[in-house]
Formats: sequence, structure tokens, C-alpha cells
Amino acid sequence: GEDVEQSLFLSVREGDSSVINCTYTDSSSTYLYWYKQEPGAGLQLLTYIFSNMDMKQDQRLTVLLNKKDKHLSLRIADTQTGDSAIYFCAERFSGNTGKLIFGQGTTLQVKP
Amino acid sequence: DAGVIQSPRHEVTEMGQEVTLRCKPISGHDYLFWYRQTMMRGLELLIYFNNNVPIDDSGMPEDRFSAKMPNASFSTLKIQPSEPRDSAVYFCASTQYRDNEQFFGPGTRLTVL
Repeated sequence: GEDVEQSLFLSVREGDSSVINCTYTDSSSTYLYWYKQEPGAGLQLLTYIFSNMDMKQDQRLTVLLNKKDKHLSLRIADTQTGDSAIYFCAERFSGNTGKLIFGQGTTLQVKP
Repeated sequence: DAGVIQSPRHEVTEMGQEVTLRCKPISGHDYLFWYRQTMMRGLELLIYFNNNVPIDDSGMPEDRFSAKMPNASFSTLKIQPSEPRDSAVYFCASTQYRDNEQFFGPGTRLTVL
């Protein structure tokens, strides 16, 4: 079945780059997503990538997709304390529905 | 648009009581999702609707949980009777099929004593 896995915790210093990794199993996924959850709030879409792309850049965010290895990463350049949050990777279920499969979430801690 | 609206934001109840969580999706969205988030299990999809019809309820943990969507602008998730292990944050999300974003509500934090 479909499954999405992430490491649970990452700690970086302010100003450094953060790289959050994710692996997924459904090779027919059409879109892959990164969501951010700040404390006490719902999830908010950060960025997404279509499965025929290798890379997408959006300001400080870079998404890399290795479809062969089913590996997705999110790089945050010049990480700020405001980036501290939980980051969820998700894949769009291949059954042509609006359903997403989420990973467990990676807690990013940014130290000043 | 005000976004996805959930009520109540916090609910504290005693074991055995009935709990009803409410959700108003974004107008025009044809998919609605109910999720549960706990430290132990992360974010779990409980059930989702398309055009008010339940499509997949395989994530609903037990018969104590039920969800309805009587119209396009309202959905409820009911737990009867509630148990302490139901304590979690429950999120509602909505989307249009052709969109690439699920819009999440702020969540309802449920505590069952």
C-alpha cells in the first residue's frame, strides 16, 4: 500500500540551511507536497512539485525529487527561527481522488 | 473567504459523553476530509467525502465514530461514547479536485477525561 516516511526531528542553527527528507512508495503519484504546521495551527501548503519535475525553487525553498529512488527533499536556505515548525511530506493518491497520504512530520528546531 | 471553519476550537468532556465536532468547508470545494493528529500516531485520515458522499471511511477507528455531510457547507464528526484515547486534535480540510492544495481548518483540540 501507499506509505510516506520522514525523519522525526531536525535541529539547525539560524542562518544555516535545513534539509528535510521524505520517501514514498506509490510510484504513480502525480503530485508531491510539503506542508508546514506551526504550533496550535492547522497545516498550510508550502510548495508542491509535479512528478515529471526534478526540482522546483521558490524563494528560500528548494524541492528536489528523485523519482527513481522515490525520494523527496525540502531545502530551506538561511533558516530563520520563524521556520521552526512541523513539516509534512504528502503524496497525492494515484486513484484520481483528492486524497493525500501524509508522512509523520519532521519537527524542525531552529536555534538562535 | 474565511477559510475552513471548525467548531469548537477546544472541547473537554468526560468519558462516555457524546462529542460532536463541526466543520464548514470553503465554498465551492467538493472534497472534505477529517483527520486526527496525535503524538503517537501522527496525522491520520479518518474519512473523506466527495460531493457530500462518503468515499472512504476506512480510517474511522471504531463504530463509536461517525461522520455526516448533510449538505455542501457542513459536516460533523461524532464520537459516542467518547474515551480518553480519543483525545487528539481533529482537523477538517477541503479542496476542489483540480486544486493542488488541501485547505486545513484550525483544528478542534479534544480532551476526554
